[in-house]
Amino acid sequence: DAGITQSPRYKITETGRQVTLMCHQTWSHSYMFWYRQDLGHGLRLIYYSAAADITDKGEVPDGYVVSRSKTENFPLTLESATRSQTSVYFCASRSASGRVGYNEQFFGPGTRLTVL
Amino acid sequence: AQSVSQHNHHVILSEAASLELGCNYSYGGTVNLFWYVQYPGQHLQLLLKYFSGDPLVKGIKGFEAEFIKSKFSFNLRKPSVQWSDTAEYFCAGLMNSGGYQKVTFGIGTKLQVIP
Repeated sequence: DAGITQSPRYKITETGRQVTLMCHQTWSHSYMFWYRQDLGHGLRLIYYSAAADITDKGEVPDGYVVSRSKTENFPLTLESATRSQTSVYFCASRSASGRVGYNEQFFGPGTRLTVL
Repeated sequence: AQSVSQHNHHVILSEAASLELGCNYSYGGTVNLFWYVQYPGQHLQLLLKYFSGDPLVKGIKGFEAEFIKSKFSFNLRKPSVQWSDTAEYFCAGLMNSGGYQKVTFGIGTKLQVIP
């Protein structure tokens, strides 16, 4: 099915380990985003990408790295996981075509990450 | 700085009660506004959006929202809620930032509808 997928859906890791969360979309959307969702904070933008090879920081980028070598993929890497990075991570994508603001963001199913 | 704020973090209503969730934004330029809903254990889905024209926007499942520019508000309403409306609701604004359009989300409002 076309859409936006994330893997893994659940991940448990230990402090200090490197973890990569994958995001894949089949719409060829220009924009892709990574959010984390935490109680009391709602959704916070970690990184976003306006196109392949163009990425920029969001509100809470520290401890995360992204890349966008292909339009359809936008992996998020935690270089050295910390307990404070325990969260639910959502990937999203949006088309840049058409009228600005008209296009909604589509969200993936989320990855629940636990750092012990 | 651009921001979106939601005033009610947790709302409990009985079925058939009317709903209004507040949303205000802070941004000096043109803004496009959205309401998303997240049902328990699921990802966010779009309820409705405003980008221009009629400030009263109707969305899915009987929801509507009114854009009031003078108040920087985009409140979500539903005349009669159902148990199935139990979910978390996020207001979001699309604003320019450094040449790119980014969506900023509010903190979310958890709605619990009691049968």
